[in-house]
Amino acid sequence: GAGVSQTPSNKVTEKGKYVELRCDPISGHTALYWYRQSLGQGPEFLIYFQGTGAADDSGLPNDRFFAVRPEGSVSTLKIQRTERGDSAVYLCASSLGLAAWYEQFFGPGTRLTVL
Amino acid sequence: SQQGEEDPQALSIQEGENATMNCSYKTSINNLQWYRQNSGRGLVHLILIRSNEREKHSGRLRVTLDTSKKSSSLLITASRAADTASYFCATDAGGSNYKLTFGKGTLLTVNP
Repeated sequence: GAGVSQTPSNKVTEKGKYVELRCDPISGHTALYWYRQSLGQGPEFLIYFQGTGAADDSGLPNDRFFAVRPEGSVSTLKIQRTERGDSAVYLCASSLGLAAWYEQFFGPGTRLTVL
Repeated sequence: SQQGEEDPQALSIQEGENATMNCSYKTSINNLQWYRQNSGRGLVHLILIRSNEREKHSGRLRVTLDTSKKSSSLLITASRAADTASYFCATDAGGSNYKLTFGKGTLLTVNP
């Protein structure tokens, strides 16, 4: 595709519910990243994939958060038992490779609101 | 904690003026990148400067890097109303070469 796409663009849910956020990276990009951006803050790293494996999930805040990338392309970020503090914009990015000199291309984000 | 910290937090200028934003960071880096984020839109990559580079240009953008002071600056010349956005610096955190750490950003408003 032309760029990184994320669905849905907006998600409103109730406290305690389960949500899935989807990311379609740029075709051919092997590295995929998830970030979370709270209001007035810069994005914070959550997890990154190289191919199908989660190479670094050190940014996930707790075990309610989980992400998969089963075929090395599309990724899903899953949040169980959502809390109001999970409300944020969830950003996905992809890059050609892992090294820092590869530009990370960001999607438009999914705005999650937990009521 | 934030690796990159931008200042000022907000900057308001008139069209045609230059805008300078600064970024400071704490640990050694491989690269430093600047991103722009318009209201309601995703992050757009502007420029990447490597740790062995001191200055880089791209169109109306000029980025400098001073690794001895652990600081970078982004200069936008001849600003336009369309440059109104938040600007973030991002560094690779703690030597890892993929995990970007962003500051809180500088909100730039360019008045027509």
